[in-house]
Amino acid sequence: SQQGEEDPQALSIQEGENATMNCSYKTSINNLQWYRQNSGRGLVHLILIRSNEREKHSGRLRVTLDTSKKSSSLLITASRAADTASYFCATDGTGTASKLTFGTGTRLQVTL
Amino acid sequence: DARVTQTPRHKVTEMGQEVTMRCQPILGHNTVFWYRQTMMQGLELLAYFRNRAPLDDSGMPKDRFSAEMPDATLATLKIQPSEPRDSAVYFCASGPLGGPVRFGPGTRLTVL
Repeated sequence: SQQGEEDPQALSIQEGENATMNCSYKTSINNLQWYRQNSGRGLVHLILIRSNEREKHSGRLRVTLDTSKKSSSLLITASRAADTASYFCATDGTGTASKLTFGTGTRLQVTL
Repeated sequence: DARVTQTPRHKVTEMGQEVTMRCQPILGHNTVFWYRQTMMQGLELLAYFRNRAPLDDSGMPKDRFSAEMPDATLATLKIQPSEPRDSAVYFCASGPLGGPVRFGPGTRLTVL
């Protein structure tokens, strides 16, 4: 079963614009991780944000986490055509048997 | 740069045949996951291990799928007998407890 739900399902923007993707989840988490997947390829880890963190940056990526609303957002600034991919959030739940559960993904298309 | 490796990368087989997929997790990672990705179901968690012990395999069809970690450097996923509905990309992933989870390149399985 899916823990996270990404919104929107698909996003089309022009190069240079910012892209924002949102993720909502249902249960308590230890951390939340964002991944990128290019068509036909594997998943690339982008960033991990822990439950006691509110914001994290990595290059052109900015991730926020609001545990009270059980939601996270991924912002890609100054997008490039190479950012075209599907983006997934994954939650690492609490407890000794925590596991990484994925959302449904946002498909981002960046056009020239 | 340490990576998760998977073999084979592609497998075409006939219905009823046994399929074994292998994964070498990143050295030092104590949590290993098996996921399956299809267009219809997205990323599904099949099984995962911590310190080589199976923690949850509720996502696997028990009658035909089995997952093991014979040692810390090898995880296997076996399907016997295979069926056309098993056609998918199977990913192995590993990570330290509570840390970033890295994915392998996947095994693309086609069952005819």
